[in-house]
Amino acid sequence: EAGVAQSPRYKIIEKRQSVAFWCNPISGHATLYWYQQILGQGPKLLIQFQNNGVVDDSQLPKDRFSAERLKGVDSTLKIQPAKLEDSAVYLCASSRVAGGSYEQYFGPGTRLTVT
Amino acid sequence: AQKVTQAQTEISVVEKEDVTLDCVYETRDTTYYLFWYKQPPSGELVFLIRRNSFDEQNEISGRYSWNFQKSTSSFNFTITASQVVDSAVYFCALGMDSSYKLIFGSGTRLLVRP
Repeated sequence: EAGVAQSPRYKIIEKRQSVAFWCNPISGHATLYWYQQILGQGPKLLIQFQNNGVVDDSQLPKDRFSAERLKGVDSTLKIQPAKLEDSAVYLCASSRVAGGSYEQYFGPGTRLTVT
Repeated sequence: AQKVTQAQTEISVVEKEDVTLDCVYETRDTTYYLFWYKQPPSGELVFLIRRNSFDEQNEISGRYSWNFQKSTSSFNFTITASQVVDSAVYFCALGMDSSYKLIFGSGTRLLVRP
């Protein structure tokens, strides 16, 4: 069974530019998560989808971040415009169903550097 | 408030030593779930174990073992006879039925030296 796929693996941009990350979850997993992991910290949830609907986006900085999950499979996370403090690893995860009781499976992440 | 504390920022051991990674959690929920994840240098978080709050039995899987104690709100992870390949950052996380998200600790970086 293929794992969670993410691209690109690395991205370097200048502040005020825009960037987009792509995620393909494990086949059959209805729930998809985007996390931000700043160096030296644990992952922090940005947004969670159940199929193609948003379950929780309370910690997503909506003035600059947006995410969509069309057709309930792949997802894209966008930052526009980027700030220096957005430098982090962006992790995508998926689980069979929503809920804090289910293990989540993570992709390799995208390391973003904003200069 | 829900919180996970991993007080050990970094641990360094010599190969074959045993090592215990501490995890203390806070939640008011009576039903909750605890997880351990491993993050090797490649960056991908690898799921290791899940325990629910009603099951306090300790678990052993090869060189790995977990000690869950509700009385002290702890869910500690022990690696027996550590190996260089165990070098990684290890995260403890808390999940609850009342919330969809996992709450992660800040992680413990384990370095196993040959």
